[in-house]
Amino acid sequence: DAGVIQSPRHEVTEMGQEVTLRCKPISGHNSLFWYRQTMMRGLELLIYFNNNVPIDDSGMPEDRFSAKMPNASFSTLKIQPSEPRDSAVYFCASRQTGTSTGELFFGEGSRLTVL
Amino acid sequence: GQQVMQIPQYQHVQEGEDFTTYCNSSTTLSNIQWYKQRPGGHPVFLIQLVKSGEVKKQKRLTFQFGEAKKNSSLHITATQTTDVGTYFCAGLGGATNKLIFGTGTLLAVQP
Repeated sequence: DAGVIQSPRHEVTEMGQEVTLRCKPISGHNSLFWYRQTMMRGLELLIYFNNNVPIDDSGMPEDRFSAKMPNASFSTLKIQPSEPRDSAVYFCASRQTGTSTGELFFGEGSRLTVL
Repeated sequence: GQQVMQIPQYQHVQEGEDFTTYCNSSTTLSNIQWYKQRPGGHPVFLIQLVKSGEVKKQKRLTFQFGEAKKNSSLHITATQTTDVGTYFCAGLGGATNKLIFGTGTLLAVQP
């Protein structure tokens, strides 16, 4: 199994530019999560989907952030326009609900730097 | 909203010493999970605790879930340099199905 795949692994962009982060969950997993990690705020849950439907987006910082999951094998997190304070590592994670452990499988992360 | 705090934030030990991190939730949890994140890596699942007062062991690691299901601890016996990393607890609670991560404890082990 390839695991959760995220792209890009690193992105450096300028303030005001649009950023799109991509995630391919593990095949068969029906829940997908987007987390953001910074030194100051730790691991924050931004949004999660069950069966491609957004369930809770209360962690999305503001309207500049949006996430979609058009099908079971793909999700995007978009920031438009980006700001320096968005610099962080963005993790995507997936899991199969109903299993005994419900563990999350994380991707390698996308490190975003906004100048 | 639900908050999960961990102490200490950072611990530096000599190899062979024991280490403990504590996790406290502002709300009662249905279960708690523990993850380890190596420097530059991503969180990796270690274990899940579900029952009140539950204790589980994995080699040198001992995990405990409090009786009130609001706190948990991870104890490492005789640390090794391979134990270096940040340990996170993550609580599942409330009406939603979302996993809220604790603030993490960074463990440094000096050989």
